[in-house]
Order: sequence, then C-alpha cells, then structure tokens
Amino acid sequence: SAVISQKPSRDICQRGTSLTIQCQVDSQVTMMFWYRQQPGQSLTLIATANQGSEATYESGFVIDKFPISRPNLTFSTLTVSNMSPEDSSIYLCSVVDAPGTDTQYFGPGTRLTVL
Amino acid sequence: GNSVTQMEGPVTLSEEAFLTINCTYTATGYPSLFWYVQYPGEGLQLLLKATKADDKGSNKGFEATYRKETTSFHLEKGSVQVSDSAVYFCALSEREARFGAGTRLTVKP
Repeated sequence: SAVISQKPSRDICQRGTSLTIQCQVDSQVTMMFWYRQQPGQSLTLIATANQGSEATYESGFVIDKFPISRPNLTFSTLTVSNMSPEDSSIYLCSVVDAPGTDTQYFGPGTRLTVL
Repeated sequence: GNSVTQMEGPVTLSEEAFLTINCTYTATGYPSLFWYVQYPGEGLQLLLKATKADDKGSNKGFEATYRKETTSFHLEKGSVQVSDSAVYFCALSEREARFGAGTRLTVKP
C-alpha cells in the first residue's frame, strides 16, 4: 500500500489564524480525501481532493473555510481558515492507491488544537 | 445515502475472552466493507476488508463476514489480548468511506 505522510503532525494555533496541512504520498494515487476526527468522535469526510480541479465538499463543509489544493497525483493540502476552538480535531488524509479498488489508506493525521 | 451503525461500547473484556462488535450498514449499491483499528496515539490502520457478499475478511485473528441478507459485518475474535485494546471502526465504501461511531475496546489482564 501507499506510504502517506502528513505535516505538521500537530500544532497549537490561535483563534482567527489559518493552518495549512500537507499530505504527501510516495506514489501516484487515483483518489485523495480529507477527513476530520473531532475529539472522541468518528471520522467525517470533509472533501474529495480532485487533481487539477476544485475539490468536492461534503454537506456542512465549504471551500472558504477548508480550501484544498491537489496540484498533482502525489500531493494535497488542506487549509483550516479563520480557526476557532471548535476546529480542534485530528485531520487525516486518505488515498485509494489502485484504480478499480475502494480500499482507503490513511495518513498519520495532524492533531490541531485551537486556543 | 450510505451509512454505518456500530455498537458503540465501550467494551471491556478479560484477556482470552471472545469478542464481537456489531456493525450493520445501509447502502444503495454494493459497497466494500472494512474494519479499521486505531491504537492509542496512532493513526488509522486497515484491519480487514470484504468486497462482496459472503466474503470473509481476516487478519491478526480477527474475522468478519459480509452478510448481505442481514446487511451486517460483525467483527469477531476468539481470544483477545491486552494488545488488542484500541478503537475499532466499521466502514463502507463505494468511493469515499463512511464510518461508524467507533467502539473502544479495553482488554484487562
């Protein structure tokens, strides 16, 4: 399976600022996704990161708050904008690494705390 | 839309006890089904999967069978160990994954 890394692994940020999270994969992958895991909760899909076009957002998530880029088949970024304490979560990227399959593999996550 | 309902727990067992974590799903098509595990302080790891009805996924002594007639994918292990203590997530995917609420398992010596 693909090896996925995320930067930063954790951060503590002030209210009103923005943080960009990077997701790097060691091979070209067909699909990339971003998820949020709030404290003690399950994973919620934020968006599908589409290569070369705008991301596809799930209900409740908007581009102004969570802009996503995917410039190529191995890299994506998620920005958490104008942060509030409610944005404190673990943010995970995941990939589907083979066409015709739907098994997702997850990065280690970025633990974000907003003060 | 697609969704997963999972026994939430927490579940506390003694070492060598039998484990069952229930998972049922709702889907419009024919999704693949997964169990992921999250050990304390670690990321999400794929534990096992099944891609079609009657498939059995297995790994590390854990098993789950894709039951289309009961729309279920229950996770079982015959004899749990302390090292199995983690949070277990049931998920389905036809493209993006949908997750259950997670079940925290604690195994005591």
